[in-house]
Amino acid sequence: DIQMTQSPSSLSASVGDRVSITCRASQSISTYVNWYQQKTGKDPKLLIFGASSLQSGVPSRFSGSGSGTDFTLTINSLQPEDFASYFCQQSYAKPYTFGQGTKVEVK
Amino acid sequence: QVQLQESGPGLAKPSETLSLTCTVSGGSMRSFYWSWLRLPPGKGLEWIGYIYYSGGPYYNPALKGRVTISVDTSKNQFSLNLKSVTAADTAMYYCARGPKDIAGWFDPWGQGTLVTVSS
Repeated sequence: DIQMTQSPSSLSASVGDRVSITCRASQSISTYVNWYQQKTGKDPKLLIFGASSLQSGVPSRFSGSGSGTDFTLTINSLQPEDFASYFCQQSYAKPYTFGQGTKVEVK
Repeated sequence: QVQLQESGPGLAKPSETLSLTCTVSGGSMRSFYWSWLRLPPGKGLEWIGYIYYSGGPYYNPALKGRVTISVDTSKNQFSLNLKSVTAADTAMYYCARGPKDIAGWFDPWGQGTLVTVSS
């Protein structure tokens, strides 16, 4: 199975900060990475697909980059509604696997 | 828009079979794959498997032999059966549409249902 190592597991930030979350794949996966946001008690929401494509309706302060083994989700100018958990997913090969998640908390 | 809702018992006894159903509303199941995933406490998400709307499931090898996913498009539902459960199967279980397109994403998801395995 392809392992997705996500870091950090948690981070503290303030409104207006720029935040970056990374995922490293255990092998090259081209751009087959998707990113999700999950708020407590809610269903996960797709943010980014194909490493860098913004899902419809997602604010442009969210962006994704990377290819091969290293991927980054960036949130520019963090907003109050962005405090949540984020996780990556590889779709290069079955079984699809996920990172362990990153919790973005208020500093 | 399409919405998904999981349903089923929140408690299962060790060695028994866990059964959950996902009801799809607001859209058709046609031409899509439909998946089950789970989030054990303190761990990362695990993809359990998918089924195409017309059948043809695929299961995560880590669970193969214990899992069955079925679909009933007349009811707009798909189901998960996981047999011989243990405490390690305690998790929040999600249903989702996908994998979708070549990028293989999951969207939307249900809100999840907590299943505890305990005697």
